[in-house]
Amino acid sequence: ETGVTQSPTHLIKTRGQQVTLRCSSQSGHNTVSWYQQALGQGPQFIFQYYREEENGRGNFPPRFSGLQFPNYSSELNVNALELDDSALYLCASSQRLPGDLEQYFGPGTRLTVT
Amino acid sequence: AQSVTQLGSHVSVSEGALVLLRCNYSSSVPPYLFWYVQYPNQGLQLLLKYTTGATLVKGINGFEAEFKKSETSFHLTKPSAHMSDAAEYFCAVSDAGYSTLTFGKGTMLLVSP
Repeated sequence: ETGVTQSPTHLIKTRGQQVTLRCSSQSGHNTVSWYQQALGQGPQFIFQYYREEENGRGNFPPRFSGLQFPNYSSELNVNALELDDSALYLCASSQRLPGDLEQYFGPGTRLTVT
Repeated sequence: AQSVTQLGSHVSVSEGALVLLRCNYSSSVPPYLFWYVQYPNQGLQLLLKYTTGATLVKGINGFEAEFKKSETSFHLTKPSAHMSDAAEYFCAVSDAGYSTLTFGKGTMLLVSP
């Protein structure tokens, strides 16, 4: 069984640029959630996708957007990058079964905005 | 709205000593509670979770946590610390819906020989 994978591992971008981060969910999982973890902080929920539709969003501006594909992999897009967007971005997948709330996290993508 | 407070950004123990990491939560609905561990440059690994039923939950690597509704707490313990336990630990809460987690700020556990 393949776990959650994310690419790239590290990324350096310039303020104002756009970035796309990718996540492959664990086999059999139909839900993907994205989290932002700033240095020294706990992860913060960005949004969740279930069967290709956004299913909940945290307190993030619209320049944070996402997609989920038919194979349940997902992308996180961030436009007009700001210095404060520098963080570890974590993807987590789950099955969305009643009573099964466990999320499986990927290793993350470290984004640095200069 | 849900929230999690972890008391102590850093906790230092000696190898073999008791580990106690504190977590208090706020939730308007019966909570589901989790502890995750994060090793340097890695993602999050689930240690244990409380959903319903027995309030003392056992997890991996000898960790356990007790859900105390009256104290709105879910403290993590381990009887004897090992050097390999050094990592950052996050407490998280979820509602009865599907999967959105609210995390605390984390506690870094330092283990000295």
